Amino acid sequence: EAEVAQSPRYKITEKSQAVAFWCDPISGHATLYWYRQILGQGPELLVQFQDESVVDDSQLPKDRFSAERLKGVDSTLKIQPAELGDSAMYLCASSLVPPHNEQFFGPGTRLTVL
Amino acid sequence: AQSVSQHNHHVILSEAASLELGCNYSYGGTVNLFWYVQYPGQHLQLLLKYFSGDPLVKGIKGFEAEFIKSKFSFNLRKPSVQWSDTAEYFCAGSNAGKSTFGDGTTLTVKP
Repeated sequence: EAEVAQSPRYKITEKSQAVAFWCDPISGHATLYWYRQILGQGPELLVQFQDESVVDDSQLPKDRFSAERLKGVDSTLKIQPAELGDSAMYLCASSLVPPHNEQFFGPGTRLTVL
Repeated sequence: AQSVSQHNHHVILSEAASLELGCNYSYGGTVNLFWYVQYPGQHLQLLLKYFSGDPLVKGIKGFEAEFIKSKFSFNLRKPSVQWSDTAEYFCAGSNAGKSTFGDGTTLTVKP
């Protein structure tokens, strides 16, 4: 069964350092999502891509976060510089074109900022 | 702004008890509704979904949910829970391709 791949699974960094997360969606899924999930809360959408274009990044802290999906396939989410409050689980999901957007989630990257 | 709220943060049940988890949404226009589940150590995965038609939808593992438009609700139900249903459950809504998740309900089923 096809799955969404994410790496790394765990990342520990010091504040002010740069971190990057990678996601490879299910083949053929045009829509890719990055979520942040803080313990005890639901996933919060950071950015949504349709192919290589950003369709929603209203909740992305653009002063320190960036995301790209250059060829419309895999994607990278970067934080520079990392802050203590960025410690969370970062989830990637993909789906076929909305509106029937059942999302398939990857295992996530657990980020700890010290 | 669109939102999804889940009233129960933590539910504890004994095996064979019936389950109902509440979900209310606030959306303008058409909304698609989902329940996702995250078993311990596993990914988030879809339990069931509602787009249109019959408001009672059935999902995997004996779960079902009813869309009640007048109450803005999409509650999840299961007549008899098992220990293996211990997990975190998330309700989500989608409109115009944008998804919003509730904060989740942790279900613990005691054997």
